[in-house]
Formats: sequence, C-alpha cells, structure tokens
Amino acid sequence: AQSVTQPDIHITVSEGASLELRCNYSYGATPYLFWYVQSPGQGLQLLLKYFSGDTLVQGIKGFEAEFKRSQSSFNLRKPSVHWSDAAEYFCAVGGNLKTSYDKVIFGPGTSLSVIP
Amino acid sequence: GAGVSQSPSNKVTEKGKDVELRCDPISGHTALYWYRQSLGQGLEFLIYFQGNSAPDKSGLPSDRFSAERTGGSVSTLTIQRTQQEDSAVYLCASSLRGSSTDTQYFGPGTRLTVL
Repeated sequence: AQSVTQPDIHITVSEGASLELRCNYSYGATPYLFWYVQSPGQGLQLLLKYFSGDTLVQGIKGFEAEFKRSQSSFNLRKPSVHWSDAAEYFCAVGGNLKTSYDKVIFGPGTSLSVIP
Repeated sequence: GAGVSQSPSNKVTEKGKDVELRCDPISGHTALYWYRQSLGQGLEFLIYFQGNSAPDKSGLPSDRFSAERTGGSVSTLTIQRTQQEDSAVYLCASSLRGSSTDTQYFGPGTRLTVL
C-alpha cells in the first residue's frame, strides 16, 4: 500500500541553524514526491516536487530535497532557517499506478518551531 | 490571479445538524479535491472531481458525507447529521489537469466545530 511517514512530529531549531525534515515513502511504482508547507491559518503551498532526473531538487524559500531511491526517502533541507519558516511541513507521494485516480498521499506532517 | 477560496472560514454547529462547505477553485482548473485535516493528523483524502468524469468518492468516511461540483467549477461538501468526530479543518484544492504530477493549489480551509 502507498504510504508516507514523517518520523518527526515536532522539531525545534534555532534561527540560522540548518534543518532537515525526514520523509520516507512506500509506493508500488516510480514515485512523484512533493513537499508542501502550511503556515498558521493558511492553506498548503508547494515547496518543491520531484518526478525524475536530478535527485536533488531546489524549491522556493531556499529549500531543497534529495530523492534517495535505495532508502525510499525524500528529506527536505535548508542550510539556514529563518523565523518565518515556522510552519507545518507535509511530504506527499503520488505516481502512475494506472488506476482511475492516482491519489497523492500526504504524510502526517512535521511541525517546525524556530527559536531566536 | 485569484486562488482557491473556501467559505465559510469557520463553522460552529450542533451535533445532528447538516452543514455545507463551499469551494471555489482556480478558474480553468479541471480537477478539484477535498481533504480533511484533523488536529495533529495529516491530510485525509475525501473526494476528487476531474472534468465530467464520475468523482472518486473512495475517501468519504461515511454516507453522511457527500459532495457535488456544479458546472465543473464550484463544489459543495455536505455533511449530514454532524457528529463531534467530524470536527476538523476541511481543505479544498484544485489542479490544472488532475494528474499526479500536477501541483495542487489549496484554499485556506473551513474549520468545522461540532458541539
């Protein structure tokens, strides 16, 4: 079955520190992978996505993620966190299972707090 | 341009009442999705509309939940005889074609509280 796990429910980092949010997936075909961010009171916004090609993808707001097929992972990174990055982060997986609708499955989210 | 809008932003209702939640997708987007986000949970897929195709209702948790999309645009999610466990944020999203590679654009959500 298709699934996404985000092992860290909540992470706290200091402003200026580096960040890595973990994401692991289970999918029966070549996965399409996404990271979305949800700021307080806002809808979700796409940070970046991976379909094929270079396994290191760049996104908005200085985020990047690396697809590692051998580890079934798609971890999100940022070299220097800003206070405005405090939000909920969702990893998601979709693909082409040749079913009527290949749902995008979202992980449970990781809540990021940033301390001054 | 305008994004996805949802109304109301907040809804408080009594147990047993019916509620209707509205979603206006981005103009020109053929696909529309409803999700439910419970406290501390991820996004739970509810229903998917794609053009004139029959909707994928596989995520609806019970027959108290239904949704329609009129004219390929606005969608309404209806919850009948609401229960306290229905309390959640209901998110709507739209995408251009509805394929798995499409970016989904989300609305701000409707926070439903069932007393």
